[in-house]
Amino acid sequence: NAGVMQNPRHLVRRRGQEARLRCSPMKGHSHVYWYRQLPEEGLKFMVYLQKENIIDESGMPKERFSAEFPKEGPSILRIQQVVRGDSAAYFCASSPIREGSGNTIYFGEGSWLTVV
Amino acid sequence: QQPVQSPQAVILREGEDAVINCSSSKALYSVHWYRQKHGEAPVFLMILLKGGEQKGHDKISASFNEKKQQSSLYLTASQLSYSGTYFCGTVGGSQGNLIFGKGTKLSVKP
Repeated sequence: NAGVMQNPRHLVRRRGQEARLRCSPMKGHSHVYWYRQLPEEGLKFMVYLQKENIIDESGMPKERFSAEFPKEGPSILRIQQVVRGDSAAYFCASSPIREGSGNTIYFGEGSWLTVV
Repeated sequence: QQPVQSPQAVILREGEDAVINCSSSKALYSVHWYRQKHGEAPVFLMILLKGGEQKGHDKISASFNEKKQQSSLYLTASQLSYSGTYFCGTVGGSQGNLIFGKGTKLSVKP
């Protein structure tokens, strides 16, 4: 059984460039979550999506960040005009049903973004 | 609202026990425990639902006191492989999101 697949694992971008991080949920999972982890810090919720819908984006920065989960293909977290402060590990997680109903979420290996 | 974990860090000798606490100022629906090793993904340990349940596998167990809005993770006879950062995640309602604490760094020395 393939787990949550994220790519790229490591990404280096210059300030002002765009970063695109991709996430394929576990087979049978239709709920996707994105978390950001700064060095030596906890996991901060960013956004929760189902296919073609953003359910909760309360943790997303208001500018430059966007997420989508199209009908076909992986979920994508897009960061435009990256700045040094965007350097972090971005984790995607998935669940078969919404996490709050007693079901847990399973994390991918993460994408480490470095902005130089 | 982010749950509060304590202690922030703990150093153990192999075979010693540890308790990690997680508390919230809001009513909790469930508590989730994860362990993360440096540079790796968080790995699910267990989930506790309201009802005051206790769970465990191997020498790691946890309790959830919904009245006190607290959960504790118990590590018994620690092994070197237990080293890592432990996160509790809390859900405030049946449709809430999983919000994580800042983590407790556990180091087990030989």
